Amino acid sequence: GAVVSQHPSRVICKSGTSVKIECRSLDFQATTMFWYRQFPKQSLMLMATSNEGSKATYEQGVEKDKFLINHASLTLSTLTVTSAHPEDSSFYICSARDRVLGGARYGYTFGSGTRLTVV
Amino acid sequence: GENVEQHPSTLSVQEGDSAVIKCTYSDSASNYFPWYKQELGKGPQLIIDIRSNVGEKKDQRIAVTLNKTAKHFSLHITETQPEDSAVYFCAASPFGNQFYFGTGTSLTVIP
Repeated sequence: GAVVSQHPSRVICKSGTSVKIECRSLDFQATTMFWYRQFPKQSLMLMATSNEGSKATYEQGVEKDKFLINHASLTLSTLTVTSAHPEDSSFYICSARDRVLGGARYGYTFGSGTRLTVV
Repeated sequence: GENVEQHPSTLSVQEGDSAVIKCTYSDSASNYFPWYKQELGKGPQLIIDIRSNVGEKKDQRIAVTLNKTAKHFSLHITETQPEDSAVYFCAASPFGNQFYFGTGTSLTVIP
């Protein structure tokens, strides 16, 4: 089945530094990738939608200059948290949509998530 | 936009009993309804889904029902086992577009 690899699984960084999270589709091409943020015991909140080769679309309230998204190829999207602060500490999860299957059952696959802690 | 509500937020059942989680949605354009299981520190895993042209779907111990008129759908887990303990999320999506997630249900199966 479709696999989405997300790295790193955990990262601790100092306040003011930047952190890059990678999301790769291993056995399919992803035209669209979604980035979510999840606080403890809460639901997944969509941050942005990225389409290969174009600018990401950010949800209301998400700072695009703080959360930089790059979707340079059909298999890789990155989320960079710039000038991270303790309030950015969260669980970040990506999801990828298969170009061929579109929205079909196996068209959406989630990564395993990245636990970001900013100290 | 779409608004998905999920109940209950926590659910405890004895091993072997059934568990039911319910969701409602607001946007009639939504036509794809997946259910995800999320274990601690991991990403969501799809367990079952249903499309708006189907009223019920079953996969072994797991079933989902959909009432389009009332805009609600439910997850049914029968013969629960301790390994079913996790957080379950429902979602609604216009086919091919983004997902709107419910608030999650923490299920505990007591041995």
